[in-house]
Amino acid sequence: GAGVSQSPRYKVAKRGQDVALRCDPISGHVSLFWYQQALGQGPEFLTYFQNEAQLDKSGLPSDRFFAERPEGSVSTLKIQRTQQEDSAVYLCASSLALPDSGNTIYFGEGSWLTVV
Amino acid sequence: DQQVKQNSPSLSVQEGRISILNCDYTNSMFDYFLWYKKYPAEGPTFLISISSIKDKNEDGRFTVFLNKSAKHLSLHIVPSQPGDSAVYFCAASLYNYQLIWGAGTKLIIKP
Repeated sequence: GAGVSQSPRYKVAKRGQDVALRCDPISGHVSLFWYQQALGQGPEFLTYFQNEAQLDKSGLPSDRFFAERPEGSVSTLKIQRTQQEDSAVYLCASSLALPDSGNTIYFGEGSWLTVV
Repeated sequence: DQQVKQNSPSLSVQEGRISILNCDYTNSMFDYFLWYKKYPAEGPTFLISISSIKDKNEDGRFTVFLNKSAKHLSLHIVPSQPGDSAVYFCAASLYNYQLIWGAGTKLIIKP
């Protein structure tokens, strides 16, 4: 497809289980972002990649969260030993270059994670 | 500490009338402001943006106004249409890549 693709769309994990969320950005997009959106709130920044380089991971809530983009295209967000507070929608977004006035950020549909 | 606030969780407007969605921010370092629209079970889609050096930007039925002294921006939709019913998020740009988001306002357009 032409848009940002995320998988799985829905994931139910038992507390303590590890999960991996995949993002396929729009082809050729340099910048890739992960956001976390809790119910009833706006998205919150997790991390930013420019090609394969993770330039900012200041939003990752704990060391259980890890993101990678080894070849500068597909990205994976991994959450180890999931906890109930990790339940949220995880949004991936990409943009052609730096997301300033000329570069719109395009979002995927999100991966809905529920930890039980 | 919310840097971007949307104080109205929901707004109901008659079809054909003007919808006005408001957003307040606290950080004067924000350099760009954006509005996103979100339907249920979909990701946010970009609507319109405004640079901090401007006070108005218009795109078809959508106009965004920025009042820097009041640290306030608003999105005007006129005329409102049923397809405009969605959740609208205000976001502010920091360091050219990090977006700080409000909690959203659910807009309901009544026929």
